Amino acid sequence: AQSVAQPEDQVNVAEGNPLTVKCTYSVSGNPYLFWYVQYPNRGLQFLLKYITGDNLVKGSYGFEAEFNKSQTSFHLKKPSALVSDSALYFCAVRGRYGGSQGNLIFGKGTKLSVKP
Amino acid sequence: DTEVTQTPKHLVMGMTNKKSLKCEQHMGHRAMYWYKQKAKKPPELMFVYSYEKLSINESVPSRFSPECPNSSLLNLHLHALQPEDSALYLCASSQDRQENSYEQYFGPGTRLTVT
Repeated sequence: AQSVAQPEDQVNVAEGNPLTVKCTYSVSGNPYLFWYVQYPNRGLQFLLKYITGDNLVKGSYGFEAEFNKSQTSFHLKKPSALVSDSALYFCAVRGRYGGSQGNLIFGKGTKLSVKP
Repeated sequence: DTEVTQTPKHLVMGMTNKKSLKCEQHMGHRAMYWYKQKAKKPPELMFVYSYEKLSINESVPSRFSPECPNSSLLNLHLHALQPEDSALYLCASSQDRQENSYEQYFGPGTRLTVT
């Protein structure tokens, strides 16, 4: 079964410092991986995806993610954090089989807090 | 245009009320989804429509009734809800449920409170 894990409930970063939000995956076959961000009382906004190709994927708002097959990871990164990046971040994998095919399977979420 | 709209933004209803949530997208997407999200938790899939047909019902109680009148619209009819049904209800769409590469786009959600 496809699954993702986000090992950190919360990540705290100072503004201007680089940030990393971790995600590991467990899949059968090739993974289709996604990152979403959710601001308070809002829907999820799509940031980026990995399907095939370059292991470094660039997305919205200066975010990028590195796909690492050997470590089964897909960590979200940004070189310089902004206070406005403070939000809840979800990693997701696309279901591939049976009733889950095409559906998103989410991690539990990581709260990012960027302090001035 | 990658916008999914949802109305209303907020809804307060009693346990005996009947209400409906609405979702609309004009991206030509053929798969649409309803999710339920509790505070600080990931969204939980409720229903999936693919080409206007219900393809997945994740064992959702019958007090939630989805409807897809056409390829752009998705409704969720609510009746006799319980206080534990209070949550953020999110609608999403994607190009196709069977394709391998298409992300889902989410609406802003309806914050539902059942009193």
